[in-house]
Amino acid sequence: DARVTQTPRHKVTEMGQEVTMRCQPILGHNTVFWYRQTMMQGLELLAYFRNRAPLDDSGMPKDRFSAEMPDATLATLKIQPSEPRDSAVYFCASGLGQGGQETQYFGPGTRLLVL
Amino acid sequence: DAKTTQPPSMDCAEGRAANLPCNHSTISGNEYVYWYRQIHSQGPQYIIHGLKNNETNEMASLIITEDRKSSTLILPHATLRDTAVYYCIVRGLTNSGYALNFGKGTSLLVTP
Repeated sequence: DARVTQTPRHKVTEMGQEVTMRCQPILGHNTVFWYRQTMMQGLELLAYFRNRAPLDDSGMPKDRFSAEMPDATLATLKIQPSEPRDSAVYFCASGLGQGGQETQYFGPGTRLLVL
Repeated sequence: DAKTTQPPSMDCAEGRAANLPCNHSTISGNEYVYWYRQIHSQGPQYIIHGLKNNETNEMASLIITEDRKSSTLILPHATLRDTAVYYCIVRGLTNSGYALNFGKGTSLLVTP
């Protein structure tokens, strides 16, 4: 049963620290999505990659967030420096497609708490 | 993407069919109807999608009306593990952006 995996599942850190979240997309999928979920805002798209290239990161605060795909099996989302308002659940999803309309399969999420 | 309207909450007895409605009266011809659900503390889970024909898979059935202005997701034999928020999402082939617009969904409670 192919699944998206994310690590760590939980992270507690102090304001100002760097946070790195990792995602392993489903083998063979060529698209990766990063979402953030909060009670107030719901699910927000942060970044979208296709064939490891970033196509849309307009939802990401550029000054502190960065997203990369070092290879086809790993996507990373970094926050540096972290702030309390970054506390949220971060989901990675993967899919197979070309037009951006592919079915998205989500991972279990990383619960981040910044104190 | 077309706007969708779902009831905020529904109850269903365990073992019975759960029928979750969705209105999407402004849907256009090239837009698909997708259903996802999110069980508490888990990531959203894809259930099913369709364009105009009814669809069935191992999880559920999707019934789309002939005019495509509404649809119903059917969980044939609901279990306690089906308690979740169910999202109906209408999504086109172009100009829809990459983000899934989950909206508020329907909170389904399956009771013993």
